[in-house]
Amino acid sequence: DIQMTQSPSSLSASVGDRVTITCRASQGISNYLAWFQQKPGKAPKSLIYAASNLQSGVPSKFSGSGSGTDFTLTISSLQPEDFAIYYCQQYNSYPRTFGGGTKVEIK
Amino acid sequence: QVQLQQWGAGLLKPSETLSLTCAVSGGSFSDYYWSWIRQPPGKGLEWIGEIHHSGSTTYNPSLKNRVTISVDTSKNLFSLKLTSVTAADTAVYYCAREISYYDSSDHYHWYLDLWGRGTLVTVSS
Repeated sequence: DIQMTQSPSSLSASVGDRVTITCRASQGISNYLAWFQQKPGKAPKSLIYAASNLQSGVPSKFSGSGSGTDFTLTISSLQPEDFAIYYCQQYNSYPRTFGGGTKVEIK
Repeated sequence: QVQLQQWGAGLLKPSETLSLTCAVSGGSFSDYYWSWIRQPPGKGLEWIGEIHHSGSTTYNPSLKNRVTISVDTSKNLFSLKLTSVTAADTAVYYCAREISYYDSSDHYHWYLDLWGRGTLVTVSS
């Protein structure tokens, strides 16, 4: 199985901050990586697919980059509704695997 | 607007069989793969498996001997069965849709784009 490692596991940030989350795959996955946002008690929501493609309806403050084993999710200007847990997931091979999540909290 | 509505028993005893169903409404059923994912309380996400409308399945090897995903195309729904449950199977179970795109590799790729609301299944004696 491909292991997905996210860092940091949590971070504190202020409204307006630029936030970057990292996801590393244990082996190369080309750009077959998705990012999800999960708020308490809710299902995950798709943000990005193919490492850098914004899902329809997702605001442009979210962006993704990377290829191979190293990927990033950036939120350009953090807003109150962005405080959540973010997960990466590879779909290069089976079984699909997720990162452990990054909790973005209010400073 | 496509909706995934899921249901099933929320409380099981050890050794029983978990059974959940997810109904798809408001859109096509045959153009997608359909998945199950679970999340133990306070923990991360685990992919269980997927099914195509043709009935083709892929399972997570960690659960393969206990899991069955089936589809009923006449009713636009798919189901999950997990046998011999233990406390370790306590989780919120999500159904989800996988959508495809075509890229420069000349292949279709599938990613999760739409999730159901989740069903908490608790295993306790």
